[in-house]
Amino acid sequence: DSGVTQTPKHLITATGQRVTLRCSPRSGDLSVYWYQQSLDQGLQFLIQYYNGEERAKGNILERFSAQQFPDLHSELNLSSLELGDSALYFCASSPDPGLAGGYNEQFFGPGTRLTVL
Amino acid sequence: GQNIDQPTEMTATEGAIVQINCTYQTSGFNGLFWYQQHAGEAPTFLSYNVLDGLEEKGRFSSFLSRSKGYSYLLLKELQMKDSASYLCAVPMFSGGYNKLIFGAGTRLAVHP
Repeated sequence: DSGVTQTPKHLITATGQRVTLRCSPRSGDLSVYWYQQSLDQGLQFLIQYYNGEERAKGNILERFSAQQFPDLHSELNLSSLELGDSALYFCASSPDPGLAGGYNEQFFGPGTRLTVL
Repeated sequence: GQNIDQPTEMTATEGAIVQINCTYQTSGFNGLFWYQQHAGEAPTFLSYNVLDGLEEKGRFSSFLSRSKGYSYLLLKELQMKDSASYLCAVPMFSGGYNKLIFGAGTRLAVHP
């Protein structure tokens, strides 16, 4: 158990809908990362937050958005869902944002499996 | 930009040794990570190399050559439970912070 929690574990919805995925980082970790992993694909970095502020963006679609709240939990919002959005969505946390030259091991949550029908 | 290459699949026999290679191209270097991921589960940290050479941790060892942009993960005394994907990842410096960029992963199948 990494200490990172994600809810829900599974989510089944229809095209065009909107869903919210939730992540609680490890106690004391200020940085949260979101990744998407489609079937047989690698982990695609979506977005990173540190202490409530967006720090880095990856290949995140405009239909997707995220935020980190004062209690440090984070939510990933996916809207106008398409079949191709079906994937595992992982949240990870680290103690620091990975300052240049630093070591930023990330601890991953169990993931949310999203199925869009 | 970042480019990370790993073989897609490998097979090996229980009790044997297997080496999983990773080559990378990066502007700047801040270490290289190896993660293990069982199907449908979260990735778990295996190793972090920032200096050249071999780092051993039990049955798993990781090697890095910065000049060659090359790393490998060595798994000894393979067990069936080692069947998993192995992900190579490098931090990419952006806006003052590092974010991890993952390779596509190498799916290892261990057979009896």
